[in-house]
Amino acid sequence: EIVLTQSPGTLSLSPGERATLSCRASQSVSSSYLAWYQQKPGQAPRLLIYGASSRATGIPDRFSGSGSGTDFTLTISRLEPEDFAVYYCQQYGSSPRWTFGQGTKVEIK
Amino acid sequence: EVQLVESGGGLVQPGRSLRLSCAASGFTFDDYAMHWVRQAPGKGLEWVSGISWNSGSIGYADSVKGRFTISRDNAKNSLYLQMNSLRAEDTALYYCAKDDLWGQGTLVTVSS
Repeated sequence: EIVLTQSPGTLSLSPGERATLSCRASQSVSSSYLAWYQQKPGQAPRLLIYGASSRATGIPDRFSGSGSGTDFTLTISRLEPEDFAVYYCQQYGSSPRWTFGQGTKVEIK
Repeated sequence: EVQLVESGGGLVQPGRSLRLSCAASGFTFDDYAMHWVRQAPGKGLEWVSGISWNSGSIGYADSVKGRFTISRDNAKNSLYLQMNSLRAEDTALYYCAKDDLWGQGTLVTVSS
């Protein structure tokens, strides 16, 4: 079973700054089946990135994903006020089994 | 409208059972694997169970294996989660999900 470890736990930044979130897998994630979700308080998670680097429909281009194997990164180039939220990485694949990281909270500094 | 709507949550005593349902609309339900994901109050996301489009492949988290059963009825565009032998630690908001589409969740509270 793959374990995903996200860092840091909390990221304190100001609007306009760049955010870099990390997700490390305990073993290689096949075919880059790695996704990123955003969750705001009281809302369901929203898919941002799939396949490690492809933006989901309607996601602004300030969000980008990169990485392969065991190390993945979500970058928000310039934080907007609506971007302060919790972000989760997720491993998925051909079998109906998902794994989530523990989350990174991006808070206003 | 493309949506998933969960129902069936509520307050239940430890050891009892509950059945969650998820109604899908606006997309071809039987094209997709479906999942249940839960979130305990103030905690992160925990995958609970998933089922392939034709029910041929099913997976469970270790924490619910042997107690929960996932199923689907493609003719009714519906996903289900039968939860037996419920424990306090099963208290959570339960989401029905397919990668890019999530419901709003149904709350399950296990308490005496």
